[in-house]
Amino acid sequence: DADVTQTPRNRITKTGKRIMLECSQTKGHDRMYWYRQDPGLGLRLIYYSFDVKDINKGEISDGYSVSRQAQAKFSLSLESAIPNQTALYFCATGTGGTDTQYFGPGTRLTVL
Amino acid sequence: LAKTTQPISMDSYEGQEVNITCSHNNIATNDYITWYQQFPSQGPRFIIQGYKTKVTNEVASLFIPADRKSSTLSLPRVSLSDTAVYYCLVGDLNQGGKLIFGQGTELSVKP
Repeated sequence: DADVTQTPRNRITKTGKRIMLECSQTKGHDRMYWYRQDPGLGLRLIYYSFDVKDINKGEISDGYSVSRQAQAKFSLSLESAIPNQTALYFCATGTGGTDTQYFGPGTRLTVL
Repeated sequence: LAKTTQPISMDSYEGQEVNITCSHNNIATNDYITWYQQFPSQGPRFIIQGYKTKVTNEVASLFIPADRKSSTLSLPRVSLSDTAVYYCLVGDLNQGGKLIFGQGTELSVKP
């Protein structure tokens, strides 16, 4: 969905490096989410935010941190990347209520 | 914690109706049931959502029995472009709940 953008789209980094993945949205949604997807598996929720002042841990938050800089921006950081964080990362937005979500195109991260 | 179980894969032919069932025995009272479609290297796309009974939109129908322990996504007259992975999602993040994606059903539509 072009209303949700993620940068970079692809990133290769080395173990121990700090990495930031960025997500921006023009949908005007209050809620934003970060997921990771591993090959052949479903999506797992890392962090989510219901508004600018609200941050919540998801299913697999260890090793990750987030920042909600504005309603439209939600960044995911890997403080010290490790190889098992190699995955496809998706940002999503939502309006709340029933948690219907709209996903970005994904960032493919490889940690060597 | 609601966990979902879906068939890993399904095959169909163009023009057929496809029904994909998701089991969610531990669904909570506040949980909605949502289905997403994902193509390779793309983000999931919302298809349909329901709470109980039947919901229909322009692309699919969702059937939910009274006990809500399962749900069935129905795709009428599939085409080759419907080849994708379909995820059933159950949960509710409001008030500290959980949101869990299943492993998905890989649907292959053949000519």
